[in-house]
Amino acid sequence: TQLLEQSPQFLSIQEGENLTVYCNSSSVFSSLQWYRQEPGEGPVLLVTVVTGGEVKKLKRLTFQFGDARKDSSLHITAAQPGDTGLYLCAGAVASGYALNFGKGTSLLVTP
Amino acid sequence: GAGVSQSPSNKVTEKGKDVELRCDPISGHTALYWYRQSLGQGLEFLIYFQGNSAPDKSGLPSDRFSAERTGGSVSTLTIQRTQQEDSAVYLCASSLRIRGSRGSYNEQFFGPGTRLTVL
Repeated sequence: TQLLEQSPQFLSIQEGENLTVYCNSSSVFSSLQWYRQEPGEGPVLLVTVVTGGEVKKLKRLTFQFGDARKDSSLHITAAQPGDTGLYLCAGAVASGYALNFGKGTSLLVTP
Repeated sequence: GAGVSQSPSNKVTEKGKDVELRCDPISGHTALYWYRQSLGQGLEFLIYFQGNSAPDKSGLPSDRFSAERTGGSVSTLTIQRTQQEDSAVYLCASSLRIRGSRGSYNEQFFGPGTRLTVL
């Protein structure tokens, strides 16, 4: 059973477009993290959100944690080819526990 | 370097052989995790070590899988009598507990992984 569902699974857009990736669950998480993974490498942490309703911005990336701490979204403004990669959300049901990962959204940004 | 390192980066083995995968965590990180990533799948939790506590082995898929962490640092994941379905990328992560004003959480840092292919 997949605890976290990500959508869309694949996304191919042109440079300059905006996009949103969703991460949904029926479970409540104490914290939720977004990672970006490139081929042949391990995931790299982008952000951690811990409070319901929290919004964090990282340059052109905006992360939001749902009020009930069950879902999250990642919005990218004016996507660039360097944004290409696999975006993974991961939630911890309690502090100190291993993360539950979604299957990821594979993003391709073409010039 | 200061990051998580894993060896070997690639391992090709024959069905039925045993393999050992190694992880060197970031110095000072008390927690260490092993995950498995199959093609088209997310990361599947395998095992978690936290300090001197008993490891959480709830994610190990069968008794052919085992892991140990010596001296609270280096960890080895062993797969006995490998099967073709064991083929995957095995990722190790270590973490630091962050105690913020909004609660505590772990930020995990991943190694590059070991790509295991069982023929």
